[in-house]
Parts: sequence; C-alpha cells; structure tokens
Amino acid sequence: AQTVTQSQPEMSVQEAETVTLSCTYDTSESDYYLFWYKQPPSRQMILVIRQEAYKQQNATENRFSVNFQKAAKSFSLKISDSQLGDAAMYFCAYKGRSQGNLIFGKGTKLSVKP
Amino acid sequence: NAGVTQTPKFQVLKTGQSMTLQCAQDMNHEYMSWYRQDPGMGLRLIHYSVGAGITDQGEVPNGYNVSRSTTEDFPLRLLSAAPSQTSVYFCASRPGTVTITDTQYFGPGTRLTVL
Repeated sequence: AQTVTQSQPEMSVQEAETVTLSCTYDTSESDYYLFWYKQPPSRQMILVIRQEAYKQQNATENRFSVNFQKAAKSFSLKISDSQLGDAAMYFCAYKGRSQGNLIFGKGTKLSVKP
Repeated sequence: NAGVTQTPKFQVLKTGQSMTLQCAQDMNHEYMSWYRQDPGMGLRLIHYSVGAGITDQGEVPNGYNVSRSTTEDFPLRLLSAAPSQTSVYFCASRPGTVTITDTQYFGPGTRLTVL
C-alpha cells in the first residue's frame, strides 16, 4: 500500500524568506502523480502544485516550486518570498496512475511571521 | 458553475442519531469521493464512486453508507452516529478520464460534532 509521510508537523518562516516543506512517499508503482494542497483557516482545499512522476523537470507555479527526487521518493515544496497569506496547513498527496483517489500525508502547519 | 457544494456546513448530533451529509457537483464528473479530516491525521478516504450506481469502500468506511443514483449527487449517511465520527468531512470530485489535468475538486467541508 502507498503511504505519504510529512515529518514536520509545524514550520515557521519570516515574511519574505524561503521555506521548504518535506514529503516522502512509498510506492511500488512507476507512474503516479504528486500534489501539494494548501488548507487555510477557511478549510477550503486549494491545489498548489502537481508533478507527474515521469517528468524529470520540477514543477513551478510562481513562488511555489518542488524538488522531486524519484529515486529517493521525496517531494518537497519550496515557498519563496513568503507572504502572510501563505500561512496554512499544507498537505502532500499521492495518486497512482490508475487510481481515482488521493492518499494524503498528515500535514504541515506553516506560520508566517511579519 | 458552483463546483462542489456540501450541506450543511456545521452539524451537531447526539450519539445514535442518523443524518445525511449532502454533496453535489455540477461539472459532470464521474468520480466522487468522501474524506474525513481529523487533527494530526490528514484526510482519509471513506467511500468513493466511479459513476452512477457504482460505489466502493475506502480506508475508513465503517459506520458510513453511500449511494450514487445520479452523476451529480453523492450523499454520505451516518446510520447511528458515534463520538468517533466527530470530524470534518470533505466531498471531492474529478473527471472520469485519467489525465494530467485530472485534478480533484473539493467542497468546502462539513464540520460534524457527535456528543
């Protein structure tokens, strides 16, 4: 069975600084997708970024980028120029190529200090 | 499009009561799912459906029933609520085809408290 591990329950970053959230996963599949979701206090689940396992190039979305290391089964999220609005829970998630549903990590609570 | 809608937003039940959490989507998505979110546990899959008339169990199905009579609706039923079912419930949907744009869309969640 696939598992997703986020080893940092809480992280803190100064406004305008850079922070990296860690995620590791375990799978025997070769084709899959990885995601980072943001959950602000409103509870809404917001897709931040996604990565296809067959792509070697790391995904980037504005201030958000990932470091995808397929052999190490690692998928970290880097947030550059952190803003107060980035404060939220961040969930790493896995989806196999033929699966319909996501497997989530336990989340990392990110605080941004002004 | 309204996307994925859930009702109610908040609910308090007494142990043993029954209720149905409603979920609807207007995007003609084939896949729909129910997750529960507990502190320190992330989101865990309860039940899912790959199309009208087809449902299957996820990771934590005990105590919950689902049905899918239409493409749009996927209600979650608690037959006899227990305090262990206190949680935030999310409904999600996605298109049926498995492509890179195959993103899950989440509803706003229902916070359920069972006393």
